[in-house]
Amino acid sequence: EAGVAQSPRYKIIEKRQSVAFWCNPISGHATLYWYQQILGQGPKLLIQFQNNGVVDDSQLPKDRFSAERLKGVDSTLKIQPAKLEDSAVYLCASTLGRLYEQYFGPGTRLTVT
Amino acid sequence: QKEVEQNSGPLSVPEGAIASLNCTYSDRGSQSFFWYRQYSGKSPELIMFIYSNGDKEDGRFTAQLNKASQYVSLLIRDSQPSDSATYLCAVRIADSSYKLIFGSGTRLLVRP
Repeated sequence: EAGVAQSPRYKIIEKRQSVAFWCNPISGHATLYWYQQILGQGPKLLIQFQNNGVVDDSQLPKDRFSAERLKGVDSTLKIQPAKLEDSAVYLCASTLGRLYEQYFGPGTRLTVT
Repeated sequence: QKEVEQNSGPLSVPEGAIASLNCTYSDRGSQSFFWYRQYSGKSPELIMFIYSNGDKEDGRFTAQLNKASQYVSLLIRDSQPSDSATYLCAVRIADSSYKLIFGSGTRLLVRP
C-alpha cells in the first residue's frame, strides 16, 4: 500500500512570496490533515478535512493560509504572502476516519528568507 | 486550551537499559493516546496507541495509561542506539473533530 505523498520536499522562498504544497493521501482515506511543525515543537494542526469538507480550521491563519481538497482526494495548502515565521515543516496526514490512526507523509520543509 | 506536556530531554540511557518517557494531558474527556517516533529530518511514525487504563505491550514497547492522573507513558526495554529519536505523545480530543493534540516531544539518546 502506497503511503501519503507530498510535494515538493523542500522549498525556499522570500518573504511576501506565495507557495503551495500538495498532498495525496493513502487510497481510501477519507480524513486528511495538514500540520505545521516548527523546529523543536510537535506538529500543530492547521486544517482537517473529512472528504472534501472542512472539519476543523480553528488554527489556520486564514488571512494568509488557504487549503482545499477538491473531489475528496488530493489537497493543496497555500501561503500568500509568506512570513519569516512560516518557516517550518508542513506535514500531511491521512486516516480512514476520525477515530482511526493517522499516517504521515514525508513533509515539505519550507524556508522563508 | 487543550494541552499535552512532555519533558523535552534529552533523556540519555545506555544501550540495553529501559527508557521511560512520560506525558501528561489536560483534557479529561480524552479516550485515545498515541506515541509517535520521529527521527531527525523525518516525519512522525506511529509506534503505539492505547485506549484503556493499564499497560499495553508490543515487542520492546509498553504503553501505560492512567486516566485518573491524566498520565500516559512509554517504556522501551532493551534500548538500542537505533531507538535514538524524538518521541511525540498525542492525545485525541473528545469533540466532534477527534483531532490529535501533540506534545513537543522528548528526545531520547541511547548510548552504545
